[in-house]
Amino acid sequence: AQKITQTQPGMFVQEKEAVTLDCTYDTSDPSYGLFWYKQPSSGEMIFLIYQGSYDQQNATEGRYSLNFQKARKSANLVISASQLGDSAMYFCAMREYQRPGNQFYFGTGTSLTVIP
Amino acid sequence: KAGVTQTPRYLIKTRGQQVTLSCSPISGHRSVSWYQQTPGQGLQFLFEYFSETQRNKGNFPGRFSGRQFSNSRSEMNVSTLELGDSALYLCASSLANSTVGTNEKLFFGSGTQLSVL
Repeated sequence: AQKITQTQPGMFVQEKEAVTLDCTYDTSDPSYGLFWYKQPSSGEMIFLIYQGSYDQQNATEGRYSLNFQKARKSANLVISASQLGDSAMYFCAMREYQRPGNQFYFGTGTSLTVIP
Repeated sequence: KAGVTQTPRYLIKTRGQQVTLSCSPISGHRSVSWYQQTPGQGLQFLFEYFSETQRNKGNFPGRFSGRQFSNSRSEMNVSTLELGDSALYLCASSLANSTVGTNEKLFFGSGTQLSVL
């Protein structure tokens, strides 16, 4: 089974609107972290937001928030007030802390296009 | 603080050749990991090095190898190149603290775009 699933290959959003990028994960490890990264056309991956499995509240970082639903194993990224510069690929990732080696697992990404 | 530096930015090779990619992590970061990115496949984990030791390895053939030096700089080598090795190769570094939290996040370089003809 895929560790991270992103079911939206491409998304469009109007400038200044909010958009939700979906991410579901699969783990039996009680201790894990969920990450979102942005990859502009330049190629460099930029860290956006982190959610720990024991965190009680949803993470927020400026215009980014993470809608963490632990029972459903989903960690959707919400971008509010979209800007043209938000057009990029977005990757959801997970790290399992109790598994030996605890590598990062990445989804296949969602391409977001912000329309003026 | 300088970011993660990968060289070269672009490479064109032919089948059967070998290639070496270089990665300099952020100062103070002891963990370096490598990823292969192809369209539609996301990032596939290659391996991770920590203090010159390979700590974890993904599901790639033995043609893919790496090493880490005492200054934490890392190299990745691919021998006997195949057309399917064409990809963006990303290097990432982290503090790799044992505690759970944002310290574990990865900092990425801009990648090396490898084209195999």
